[in-house]
Amino acid sequence: EVQLLESGGGLVQPGGSLRLSCAASGFTFSSYAMSWVRQAPGKGLEWVSAISGSGGSTYYADSVKGRFTISRDNSKNTLYLQMNSLRAEDTAVYYCAKIYKFSAAGYYYYGMDVWGQGTTVTVSS
Amino acid sequence: DIQMTQSPSSLSASVGDRVTITCRASQSISSYLNWYQQKPGKAPKLLIYAASSLQSGVPSRFSGSGSGTDFTLTISSLQPEDFATYYCQQSYSTLGYTFGQGTKLEIK
Repeated sequence: EVQLLESGGGLVQPGGSLRLSCAASGFTFSSYAMSWVRQAPGKGLEWVSAISGSGGSTYYADSVKGRFTISRDNSKNTLYLQMNSLRAEDTAVYYCAKIYKFSAAGYYYYGMDVWGQGTTVTVSS
Repeated sequence: DIQMTQSPSSLSASVGDRVTITCRASQSISSYLNWYQQKPGKAPKLLIYAASSLQSGVPSRFSGSGSGTDFTLTISSLQPEDFATYYCQQSYSTLGYTFGQGTKLEIK
């Protein structure tokens, strides 16, 4: 069974740091790009970051650029999100998601086809 | 950055109704548009990719259409399990796979 399991969330003070992990199983982890998506309480989904299968390419939302770092360890089938200089507005449920490369009408398209259950990050003093 | 705008933000409908949700991109994204369903306390679920392709296992009452900047998600006959929040997402730009703000579908 394809599964993603996030961990590492918790309560942290403003300005603090936290590292989230996402353990993958049931698929060839290194073959897929991965992403982090967050959802603030009562709000919509916000894409945070993505990383290629090899880890050689990374992408960030402007809201976290320079503060968050996405990485992966393909030998451990694990995705990470290092979060520094945390702010109250970073409070959210953080989901990891597998990015699948679909083929349609001769083109390739990307969608998040498997999601974890989420881990909650609360930034508060 | 590409902005995604959904309408309406909320919608009340009855079981058996036909429902349409609209998503507009701030620039052309060809068919690089996905739709997700999210139920309270749960992770999102991919429904539609490439604007109109149904993800495996998703009921055929869900359909998507559009290209360029204007897209729609249609549910042909609402079922009780369809009451949820729906999000569009563009996958055109790797600089940011932005989501729409969501459309909450409620029971009338």
